[in-house]
Amino acid sequence: DSGVTQTPKHLITATGQRVTLRCSPRSGDLSVYWYQQSLDQGLQFLIQYYNGEERAKGNILERFSAQQFPDLHSELNLSSLELGDSALYFCASSVDGGGENTGELFFGEGSRLTVL
Amino acid sequence: QKEVEQDPGPLSVPEGAIVSLNCTYSNSAFQYFMWYRQYSRKGPELLMYTYSSGNKEDGRFTAQVDKSSKYISLFIRDSQPSDSATYLCAFMNRDDKIIFGKGTRLHILP
Repeated sequence: DSGVTQTPKHLITATGQRVTLRCSPRSGDLSVYWYQQSLDQGLQFLIQYYNGEERAKGNILERFSAQQFPDLHSELNLSSLELGDSALYFCASSVDGGGENTGELFFGEGSRLTVL
Repeated sequence: QKEVEQDPGPLSVPEGAIVSLNCTYSNSAFQYFMWYRQYSRKGPELLMYTYSSGNKEDGRFTAQVDKSSKYISLFIRDSQPSDSATYLCAFMNRDDKIIFGKGTRLHILP
């Protein structure tokens, strides 16, 4: 058990809908990362937050947004969903992220999104 | 040229064999080099981490980095069926963005 909790584990929805994925980092970790994993694209970095502030941005679509709250949990919002958004979405946390990151991420078990 | 290239496999080897997994990268700004292991239906977990060229050993695992060739490797000695998983190389630069390879699926045959 990594200590990172993601909900929901599975989600099935229709095209055009909006969903919210939630992540609780390990106790004491300040950084939260979001990744999308699909068979053809692998693990794609979406966005990173450090202590409530956006720190790094990857290949995140404009239809997607995220935030990190004062209690350090994070939410990833996916809107106007398309079939191609079906994937496994991972949240990871790390203790660092303020420029002293060692690269060790602790991953949750993911949220599997299916868009029909 | 892609930032990170990793052969997706699958790679099947008999139990006890030495496994060699590799990645190439193009971004000279990468300063930290990692290998993660991902079992089916689980999140990735960190196996090895290094920031310099050369070898780093941890039990049956050896990570090798060649910055001049932009090439990293992971060797697994005395491979076990429990090593069957997907292995992802990962890279980080100073802005803390961690980029992963697509992963190599490894099967160790009993």
